[in-house]
Amino acid sequence: KQEVTQIPAALSVPEGENLVLNCSFTDSAIYNLQWFRQDPGKGLTSLLLIQSSQREQTSGRLNASLDKSSGRSTLYIAASQPGDSATYLCAVDGNQFYFGTGTSLTVIP
Amino acid sequence: GAGVSQSPSNKVTEKGKDVELRCDPISGHTALYWYRQSLGQGLEFLIYFQGNSAPDKSGLPSDRFSAERTGGSVSTLTIQRTQQEDSAVYLCASSSRPAGGLAGELFFGEGSRLTVL
Repeated sequence: KQEVTQIPAALSVPEGENLVLNCSFTDSAIYNLQWFRQDPGKGLTSLLLIQSSQREQTSGRLNASLDKSSGRSTLYIAASQPGDSATYLCAVDGNQFYFGTGTSLTVIP
Repeated sequence: GAGVSQSPSNKVTEKGKDVELRCDPISGHTALYWYRQSLGQGLEFLIYFQGNSAPDKSGLPSDRFSAERTGGSVSTLTIQRTQQEDSAVYLCASSSRPAGGLAGELFFGEGSRLTVL
């Protein structure tokens, strides 16, 4: 069974810092990998989708990379802002979507 | 519709009652997923639909839980004889996915918060 791990579980940074969130998975036979953010009491908002044939995707200040062979993905957030404070989850698609437990990010003004 | 719609957004019920939660996926999305998220916890997979059939219902916690999907669109998750441990947010998501093929982007609804007293 696919297992997805996210490190760190929580992260606190001052505003303006660049940061990296990590996601690792045990089975490299995946279709896609998707990053989400979840604000308290809300559903999940899709940030980036990386298809298995791709190595990275960019959207604004966000950049996600995928290395299937090593079972890893990273989400890079540039010039962090207080509005980026949320829980970030990665999910890998292998017939069903397997989720990590998330990284809780706090950006301090 | 424009997004995944779930109802009710909040439901408070007494232990032992039955509840129904509804999910209306994005129009044209063939795949539909139900997840459960308990307070401060990660997402727990419940069931996956491809069209009207459920190839994977391995996550349903007990036989009190059932789900159906009709017309390849709306899905209902039914919990019978609710227990306090059923209290959680129930999230629905949908994606485009040809049978056996590559899934498109997954989109979530805002969830149904269930509280069992």
